[in-house]
Amino acid sequence: GEDVEQSLFLSVREGDSSVINCTYTDSSSTYLYWYKQEPGAGLQLLTYIFSNMDMKQDQRLTVLLNKKDKHLSLRIADTQTGDSAIYFCAARDSNYQLIWGAGTKLIIKP
Amino acid sequence: KAGVTQTPRYLIKTRGQQVTLSCSPISGHRSVSWYQQTPGQGLQFLFEYFSETQRNKGNFPGRFSGRQFSNSRSEMNVSTLELGDSALYLCASSKRQGDSPLHFGNGTRLTVT
Repeated sequence: GEDVEQSLFLSVREGDSSVINCTYTDSSSTYLYWYKQEPGAGLQLLTYIFSNMDMKQDQRLTVLLNKKDKHLSLRIADTQTGDSAIYFCAARDSNYQLIWGAGTKLIIKP
Repeated sequence: KAGVTQTPRYLIKTRGQQVTLSCSPISGHRSVSWYQQTPGQGLQFLFEYFSETQRNKGNFPGRFSGRQFSNSRSEMNVSTLELGDSALYLCASSKRQGDSPLHFGNGTRLTVT
């Protein structure tokens, strides 16, 4: 079945770009999502991309999809302290089930 | 538009008791999913309801159950609570089953003592 993997931690300096990576195994995945979870809160949908797209940009967020390598990334430009959170990648497999990564904790250094 | 509302926000229960959690989806959303989130296991899918019918179920024991009402509101119930049931329970709604993105509530933090 589908598996989604992410690094557990990423540390970046305030003002730099953050790039959070995700790999998935099911080449027939349809939609791929990025969610943000702040302490004590639920998951906030950040953005999503359909599998026939290579890139999607939304203000400071850029999603890149490499279907050949089954690799998804989320770039956050000009990272701020408010971006500190856990970022989850999720993929819809061919049965439309959502498969989640373990989450990447983004740590911002001043 | 109001987001997904989960009540209560916090619950403390004793082993052996049962608990009911409530979820009101975004207006117009007909699909409701439930997840359990723990530090050790991450996000685990419990079940999904659409049009008052359970459409998908995760790998949880029968002590975990749910239902959906005609207004799309949903409840989940956990009977005979165990210490390991302590977790953040998240409800998410979507417009339809399948490819719609999920929108999450802030969760119910359940502590079992």
